[in-house]
Amino acid sequence: AQKITQTQPGMFVQEKEAVTLDCTYDTSDQSYGLFWYKQPSSGEMIFLIYQGSYDEQNATEGRYSLNFQKARKSANLVISASQLGDSAMYFCAMRIPGSARQLTFGSGTQLTVLP
Amino acid sequence: EADIYQTPRYLVIGTGKKITLECSQTMGHDKMYWYQQDPGMELHLIHYSYGVNSTEKGDLSSESTVSRIRTEHFPLTLESARPSHTSQYLCASSEPGTTYPYEQYFGPGTRLTVT
Repeated sequence: AQKITQTQPGMFVQEKEAVTLDCTYDTSDQSYGLFWYKQPSSGEMIFLIYQGSYDEQNATEGRYSLNFQKARKSANLVISASQLGDSAMYFCAMRIPGSARQLTFGSGTQLTVLP
Repeated sequence: EADIYQTPRYLVIGTGKKITLECSQTMGHDKMYWYQQDPGMELHLIHYSYGVNSTEKGDLSSESTVSRIRTEHFPLTLESARPSHTSQYLCASSEPGTTYPYEQYFGPGTRLTVT
């Protein structure tokens, strides 16, 4: 069974600084995908970044990058130059192999950016 | 821009009432999903669909039911609402028509309160 663990219930970061949100995963499959979503207080889920298990380079999307360490089964999200609008819940998720492409989510990290 | 809609956004209803949460997408996606999320907690998959006339139960047992008569429409029904059903319900969809990694697009959610 797949499992996602996010050990930081809450994080604080000063505006313009970088922050790392931790995510570890457990799976016996060789092929899998890891996603990060952002959930503002309004409730919608916003896709941020994706890392495939066979991708050799760490994914980057603008200010977001994914520190993928396959041997340690970790996929940490790094947000550079934090902005006040980055304050939100952040969820790490794993795609379960199979045709329905279901996602398993972690418990999330509440990030607060301080002015 | 994802075009996935959920109505109502907020619903307060008494115990024993029958409710239907609506979810529609205009992207022609085959796969659709329903998640349940308690405040500040992870998302749990309760139903998913591969396409028209196909529905499956997710990881979290739910007393709700779903139907998929049209590609664009994936309503969720509770025959008799109870206070334990109080939660946020998020609808999502994916594929085809999107590029790899086929991320799920989420609706804004319905916040249900059963009194």
